Amino acid sequence: GDSVTQMEGPVTLSEEAFLTINCTYTATGYPSLFWYVQYPGEGLQLLLKATKADDKGSNKGFEATYRKETTSFHLEKGSVQVSDSAVYFCALRDRSGDKIIFGKGTRLHILP
Amino acid sequence: GAVVSQHPSWVICKSGTSVKIECRSLDFQATTMFWYRQFPKQSLMLMATSNEGSKATYEQGVEKDKFLINHASLTLSTLTVTSAHPEDSSFYICSASTQGGGLQPQHFGDGTRLSIL
Repeated sequence: GDSVTQMEGPVTLSEEAFLTINCTYTATGYPSLFWYVQYPGEGLQLLLKATKADDKGSNKGFEATYRKETTSFHLEKGSVQVSDSAVYFCALRDRSGDKIIFGKGTRLHILP
Repeated sequence: GAVVSQHPSWVICKSGTSVKIECRSLDFQATTMFWYRQFPKQSLMLMATSNEGSKATYEQGVEKDKFLINHASLTLSTLTVTSAHPEDSSFYICSASTQGGGLQPQHFGDGTRLSIL
């Protein structure tokens, strides 16, 4: 079945460092891909998405490109802030259904 | 727009109690609602999908008699954890979308933290 694999955390970086969180997926067909962010004690917020190959999703300085050839959707940010500390989930959604498949999440700590 | 509200945000109760969690779409009609469960430091696992006016579809391994889902209107779904026990303690999150199919976005609530003593 469909699945999402993302790098395990926690990831600890200093403020203004460059961030990459790797995400790869397995799916039949052409799923939509998402990154969600969960701040402490809160629900999920959609961070960005891409619906077809080579699409780049971006929001709040974060970017991810839908790479069909490598089945990847890595999250990047050029300069992280303390306020970016959260858990980040990579996810996919098959076009034929409602179900969203989440990765296990990557906890990010940004040190001032 | 597209706000989903969950209530309560935190509940602590004794073992054997039944607990009801509400999920409301505040500014749109949610044809489909989803209930997820999240264990500490784990990902979200889909428990069930409910369409307004029909019975919920449960994922494999989820006890439908334990987790009762009602989606009686286009703006409200409820999850009732019946005779809750400590192993039911978890973070429960709902999401809602305007219609079925893979094209409409899901909007998530802020979650309900359930602690069973």
